Amino acid sequence: NAGVTQTPKFQVLKTGQSMTLQCAQDMNHNSMYWYRQDPGMGLRLIYYSASEGTTDKGEVPNGYNVSRLNKREFSLRLESAAPSQTSVYFCASRYRTGMGRETQYFGPGTRLLVL
Amino acid sequence: QQQVKQSPQSLIVQKGGISIINCAYENTAFDYFPWYQQFPGKGPALLIAIRPDVSEKKEGRFTISFNKSAKQFSLHIMDSQPGDSATYFCAASRGGATNKLIFGTGTLLAVQP
Repeated sequence: NAGVTQTPKFQVLKTGQSMTLQCAQDMNHNSMYWYRQDPGMGLRLIYYSASEGTTDKGEVPNGYNVSRLNKREFSLRLESAAPSQTSVYFCASRYRTGMGRETQYFGPGTRLLVL
Repeated sequence: QQQVKQSPQSLIVQKGGISIINCAYENTAFDYFPWYQQFPGKGPALLIAIRPDVSEKKEGRFTISFNKSAKQFSLHIMDSQPGDSATYFCAASRGGATNKLIFGTGTLLAVQP
């Protein structure tokens, strides 16, 4: 049981290049999320997927697209990278019990530098 | 517009002391308030969470105090240990089907031996 996995761990891009960040979870969770973490700003939600086949914008979606490929996988794409997208990106999936207790499980992150 | 305000930005505590981190929120529709702990190079991990129907929740050395009327909640770490040194984030959400978490800006805690 690997939990939430992300690839790649590190990436350097030049301005204008594109790339896709991959995320997969093996916990059979319905909801998945993409966040970015910047110093002094906490984590900000980029996009989320409440269930397979659905996606919706979060707080900072501009410059990004997502695909919920299946229940396990949720990818984040940067079509034309900009220096402002230099950040650490985290994927998460959500588990909720019938008792109302819930947890978002985070992956280890992808560190992206855009030159 | 920052919906969850967290303070202090950084905190230094002696081993065995009490660490206190505070958060304030604006949206009265929030009904779920978790705290996450993050070690360097790792993703955040849920530490403890509370819903507004109780004023306090304790799990081991970690306690959340919740003040609904003041729209504030805080994390108390009793008997702080060097292994507690990490960044702590408060968050809030309206729960429901999507549970979109709004995070505070984080507090870097250093516990000195």
